[in-house]
Amino acid sequence: AQSVAQPEDQVNVAEGNPLTVKCTYSVSGNPYLFWYVQYPNRGLQFLLKYITGDNLVKGSYGFEAEFNKSQTSFHLKKPSALVSDSALYFCAVRALNDYKLSFGAGTTVTVRA
Amino acid sequence: GAGVSQSPSNKVTEKGKDVELRCDPISGHTALYWYRQSLGQGLEFLIYFQGNSAPDKSGLPSDRFSAERTGGSVSTLTIQRTQQEDSAVYLCASSLEPGNYGYTFGSGTRLTVV
Repeated sequence: AQSVAQPEDQVNVAEGNPLTVKCTYSVSGNPYLFWYVQYPNRGLQFLLKYITGDNLVKGSYGFEAEFNKSQTSFHLKKPSALVSDSALYFCAVRALNDYKLSFGAGTTVTVRA
Repeated sequence: GAGVSQSPSNKVTEKGKDVELRCDPISGHTALYWYRQSLGQGLEFLIYFQGNSAPDKSGLPSDRFSAERTGGSVSTLTIQRTQQEDSAVYLCASSLEPGNYGYTFGSGTRLTVV
């Protein structure tokens, strides 16, 4: 079985400050890891993914995520947050030999001006 | 099409009625998924279609839920005798193939059962 934990329901940061959204996962074998963002009344938009290679993955809108195998983590980061980054963020994982993505419960990010 | 299209975007129905939700995936995407997003919760897998293979229905919560995919393209999720706990956003996603790709999601159908 595969699962994802996002330990924080909410993250609040000031604009211009670094933003981190935490994610840990559990999966058999090597993971495929993803981050998605959901704006109000919209579907999920793909941000970035880790398949193999460099542990630091860069994605859309200045976001990046670091894969840490020993800690089974895939935290999302942005060096300088914008008010427009306020949204709901989902981490997801799938196993190498599976097709279903398992999602975390989501983290609501609020960036205040 | 350019993206995954879902209709209707909003649906209000009376308890006990049947509803049909439609998903039109990206052209050429062989894999199609339905997820449910309930208020304050993550995404719950419902069903998966891949080409002409038998669908994976393991996530359907009850026998009131069914889905089909015609011609390997458009999919319809049907909920019979709707209950208030069925109220949620139903998201459809497609992917080129079940490989190392992420999904492309539609904007969802918000279902409210009153």
